[in-house]
Amino acid sequence: QSALTQPASVSGSPGQSITISCTGTSSDVGGYNYVSWYQQHPGKAPKLMIYDVSNRPSGVSNRFSGSKSGNTASLTISGLQAEDEADYYCSSYTSSSTLDVFGGGTKLTVL
Amino acid sequence: EVQLVQSGAEVKKPGESLKISCKGSGYSFTSYWIGWVRQMPGKGLEWMGIIYPGDSDTRYSPSFQGQVTISADKSISTAYLQWSSLKASDTAMYYCARLLGGCGYDAPCYFDYWGQGTLVTVSS
Repeated sequence: QSALTQPASVSGSPGQSITISCTGTSSDVGGYNYVSWYQQHPGKAPKLMIYDVSNRPSGVSNRFSGSKSGNTASLTISGLQAEDEADYYCSSYTSSSTLDVFGGGTKLTVL
Repeated sequence: EVQLVQSGAEVKKPGESLKISCKGSGYSFTSYWIGWVRQMPGKGLEWMGIIYPGDSDTRYSPSFQGQVTISADKSISTAYLQWSSLKASDTAMYYCARLLGGCGYDAPCYFDYWGQGTLVTVSS
C-alpha cells in the first residue's frame, strides 16, 4: 500500500482538462512543499513534469500545472492530447521515513 | 548532455548474487545524489535508496534496508545496486536516476534524469 493515494485511472477527451489527485497526510503532502509529478509512457523511463508542487522543468509543456490544498496535491493537464496518455505518479517528502514516497500511480486514458 | 546508462538485462536463479550498474556522464558525478527505483511488473514506482557519490553517504527506504546494497565508484562515475541472494520477488525493472535537491531533512529530492532501466528476472 502506497503512502500517497492516487485514483487508479482517469480519462478525458482531446482538448479537455483533467485533474489527478494525490492525497497524503500532514507528515508529507500537507506539511511540505516538496511534491513532484512524473509521467511514464509504457516501456519508458519516467519523466519529471512538476516539482516543488507547481514548478515545471524546462521543456515541459505549460499545459501541465500543479497545485496543493491541505493534504492533497493535484496535477492538471489542460488541452488534453493523445500523447498525454500515460501513467502519472506523485512523490512527496515525508517526515515519516528516510526517503520520499511515491503515490500508487494513475493511468490516464485519452478517449 | 546528461546521460545515465545502465547495464543490460539479467536473468538469474534464486539465491544467486547480482550487481547492476549505472554510469553517469555530462555532469559532475560527485555533486548530485543518485537514486534507485524499483518497478515490479505491472506495478508502480518505489524509492529504494540513494547515494551521494561525493562522500558515499547512502540512505535506504525501510522496505529495502538490508535487502540490497547501493554503492558508487566516483573514479569511473558509476553507481551500483547489488543483491547477495536474489529471490523471485526481486524480478522487476530497476531504474537509476540523478536527483535534484538536498535530499535530506526537510529538503527537496527530485529525479531529473533517468537511466533506461535494467530488467532483472529471477527464476528457477
